[in-house]
Amino acid sequence: AQKVTQAQTEISVVEKEDVTLDCVYETRDTTYYLFWYKQPPSGELVFLIRRNSFDEQNEISGRYSWNFQKSTSSFNFTITASQVVDSAVYFCALTSLGYGNKLVFGAGTILRVKS
Amino acid sequence: DADVTQTPRNRITKTGKRIMLECSQTKGHDRMYWYRQDPGLGLRLIYYSFDVKDINKGEISDGYSVSRQAQAKFSLSLESAIPNQTALYFCATSDSSGILYFGPGTRLTVT
Repeated sequence: AQKVTQAQTEISVVEKEDVTLDCVYETRDTTYYLFWYKQPPSGELVFLIRRNSFDEQNEISGRYSWNFQKSTSSFNFTITASQVVDSAVYFCALTSLGYGNKLVFGAGTILRVKS
Repeated sequence: DADVTQTPRNRITKTGKRIMLECSQTKGHDRMYWYRQDPGLGLRLIYYSFDVKDINKGEISDGYSVSRQAQAKFSLSLESAIPNQTALYFCATSDSSGILYFGPGTRLTVT
């Protein structure tokens, strides 16, 4: 079975603080892909990143960075110097060939950034 | 123009009514999906289709049906709507990369 757990239901920070969103996954497959999506208050779902199971290098894109650790089955997302525009629901997701390439989502973490 | 469109964007209907949600895409992707979003539950897969002749149930298909009319069109039907089907519904497409591209969503309320 495939499962994604985002234990943080809601996080509130003050602008310019760094914040990390946790994601823990479960899969029996050795080849899998992890994703993060952002859902701003306007409601659309925006793709942020895809990472395959063979690439454990951390990735940085501007203020966003992702830490993939197979040893702990985690794919955490950090926003540095948060801004009000980062306020959104963030979803972590998982897919694999063994699961028919279907994307399984976590419950999401609501991030509120206050000015 | 948006790559993935959904109609209607909002719909209020009564219990027992049949309703269809439509999805069209211009991305040329073979794979299409219907997801449902409920607060605190994330997105859950209802049905998916990897080509025109392929239809598969997701984790919560009971009470729903789908039709893949063409590569670009994938509709979701609620044969007899019930209040616990009140939710935000998303259509999505993907290519072989697995990255999902979502439509804007349909907010459905069943009274």
